[in-house]
Amino acid sequence: RKEVEQDPGPFNVPEGATVAFNCTYSNSASQSFFWYRQDCRKEPKLLMSVYSSGNEDGRFTAQLNRASQYISLLIRDSKLSDSATYLCAVNSPSGSARQLTFGSGTQLTVLP
Amino acid sequence: NAGVMQNPRHLVRRRGQEARLRCSPMKGHSHVYWYRQLPEEGLKFMVYLQKENIIDESGMPKERFSAEFPKEGPSILRIQQVVRGDSAAYFCASSVDGGRNEQYFGPGTRLTVT
Repeated sequence: RKEVEQDPGPFNVPEGATVAFNCTYSNSASQSFFWYRQDCRKEPKLLMSVYSSGNEDGRFTAQLNRASQYISLLIRDSKLSDSATYLCAVNSPSGSARQLTFGSGTQLTVLP
Repeated sequence: NAGVMQNPRHLVRRRGQEARLRCSPMKGHSHVYWYRQLPEEGLKFMVYLQKENIIDESGMPKERFSAEFPKEGPSILRIQQVVRGDSAAYFCASSVDGGRNEQYFGPGTRLTVT
């Protein structure tokens, strides 16, 4: 089983739609969780950290479910500019506990 | 407020040559991480450094790869005797001391080995 798994998609949604991504992780000792977005041939950009209580930033909501070991990202009122690959990242508790393990990404295309 | 800086952005090397990739962390960040993204694959952790110390190199290939973060100057990822399989995007990230380990990435160096 991979340490961090995501549905690769692609997700093709119309503008204005709500879309949700899930990401599962295998190590129950993981403590830090993040969502990044990556545009084609660019660097990953930190979208948001995921807190135990859940957190919201504008149209984006992230949640953590420790019992089922998954994190989720909800995007409301999708814009064309949201088209990107969304990566979840989880800290690896072994070693320094600061290295991040990334999922392979979920591709989102928002259609006009 | 400059972000993470990496250079060169593109690097072409012939098989057997050496590649040197440089990374300057964001101002105020003391932790540096190197990740590699092979074509059509995910990001993989390579090494984590602080000034003058390698903290975690569990993701580094055992041979030909080395990294440093000297007291003065940028962090360097060095690949000796490059092979075609080293062709990839190499990203550097940095984070502050403590906190939630939010890592901010540089634009990457795209290495092509011919």
